[in-house]
Amino acid sequence: KQEVTQIPAALSVPEGENLVLNCSFTDSAIYNLQWFRQDPGKGLTSLLLIQSSQREQTSGRLNASLDKSSGRSTLYIAASQPGDSATYLCAVILRSGGSYIPTFGRGTSLIVHP
Amino acid sequence: NAGVTQTPKFQVLKTGQSMTLQCAQDMNHEYMSWYRQDPGMGLRLIHYSVGAGITDQGEVPNGYNVSRSTTEDFPLRLLSAAPSQTSVYFCASSYSVTSRWVETQYFGPGTRLLVL
Repeated sequence: KQEVTQIPAALSVPEGENLVLNCSFTDSAIYNLQWFRQDPGKGLTSLLLIQSSQREQTSGRLNASLDKSSGRSTLYIAASQPGDSATYLCAVILRSGGSYIPTFGRGTSLIVHP
Repeated sequence: NAGVTQTPKFQVLKTGQSMTLQCAQDMNHEYMSWYRQDPGMGLRLIHYSVGAGITDQGEVPNGYNVSRSTTEDFPLRLLSAAPSQTSVYFCASSYSVTSRWVETQYFGPGTRLLVL
């Protein structure tokens, strides 16, 4: 069974710092990996999706990398801002026959203070 | 586009009652799914559908039923509510499971359910 672990569970940093959030998974035969942001009391918003054949994706101040062989993905946030405060979740998608099975990590809760 | 909508936003049930959580999307997405989110745990897949008339079980399907009569709607039914079903429920959709490049999952705002 796929297990997804996110480290750290919580992070509090001053504004302006560059951040690295980690996601590790046990089954490297993934279909793709997706990073999400969740604000308190809200649904999930997709940030970046990395296909299994890709090594990284970038969107603005966000950069996500994928290393399937080691079962790891990192989300890099450059020049953090208070508006980045949220919980960040990674989801790993396995393909099993005709089904696509997602497994989510428990998330990293980020607070960026002014 | 309204995206993915869910109703109700909040619901309180008594043990044994039944109800239906509604989910609709207006993006013509083929793939729709239901998750529950519990404190200290990641989102867990309940049921999913790859198109109208096709549904399948996820990780935690017991106590829930689904159907997909149209592309737009994917309701989740609680047959006989139990306190263990107290959770936040999210519906999600994506364009196509067969397209490698357009599979971003879009989530609804969630339904908070309390079963007493």
